[in-house]
Amino acid sequence: DVVLTQTPVSLSVTLGDQASISCRSSQSLEYSDGYTYLEWYLQKPGQSPQLLIYEVSNRFSGVPDRFIGSGSGTDFTLKISRVEPEDLGVYYCFQATHDPMYTFGAGTKLELK
Amino acid sequence: EVQLVESGGGLVQPGRSLKLSCLASGFTFSNYGMNWIRQAPGKGLEWVASISSSSSYIYYADTVKGRFTISRDNAKNTLYLQMTSLRSEDTALYYCARHHTMGFDYWGQGVMVTVSS
Repeated sequence: DVVLTQTPVSLSVTLGDQASISCRSSQSLEYSDGYTYLEWYLQKPGQSPQLLIYEVSNRFSGVPDRFIGSGSGTDFTLKISRVEPEDLGVYYCFQATHDPMYTFGAGTKLELK
Repeated sequence: EVQLVESGGGLVQPGRSLKLSCLASGFTFSNYGMNWIRQAPGKGLEWVASISSSSSYIYYADTVKGRFTISRDNAKNTLYLQMTSLRSEDTALYYCARHHTMGFDYWGQGVMVTVSS
């Protein structure tokens, strides 16, 4: 099974800072069609998760451009350029390349310093 | 407006069964794959099962394979999860989520399942 390892487990930031979250996969996430099905989700406190990024770097509808996804192969990063209060919560990476065994990372909690 | 509303959760004894439902509205349900994703209390997300738009493709996580059955009724705009032989480790908030090519673009609010004697 594909294992996604997220680091750090938690991240304390000051509003306006940049935050960076890493997601490393135990296998390459590049699919045979050339696409890489790596997604990022944010779960705000008390809410359902919401889709932020798909196919490594594409922002979902309505997601601010301060969210930047990057990476390839087995190493991926989500950067938040200027953290705002509504960005706090738990971030999860997710892979849909190795279907049908989809997997989430364990999550990274973004909180205020 | 897209809405996904789960129901059917509750407290159940180990070894017993429970069936969850997810009523969809605001979109053409029969055009989308659907999934169940769960979250144990204080833990992360775990994908549980997926079903394609016409039920041709069905997949399960190893942790539930052989015990859970995902199904759908496109005429009723409803997704189901039949859970049997429930274990304490199945205790979780169960979300239904719509699958788009971009990912899980809409999620329900979740329904709690507690397995305890």
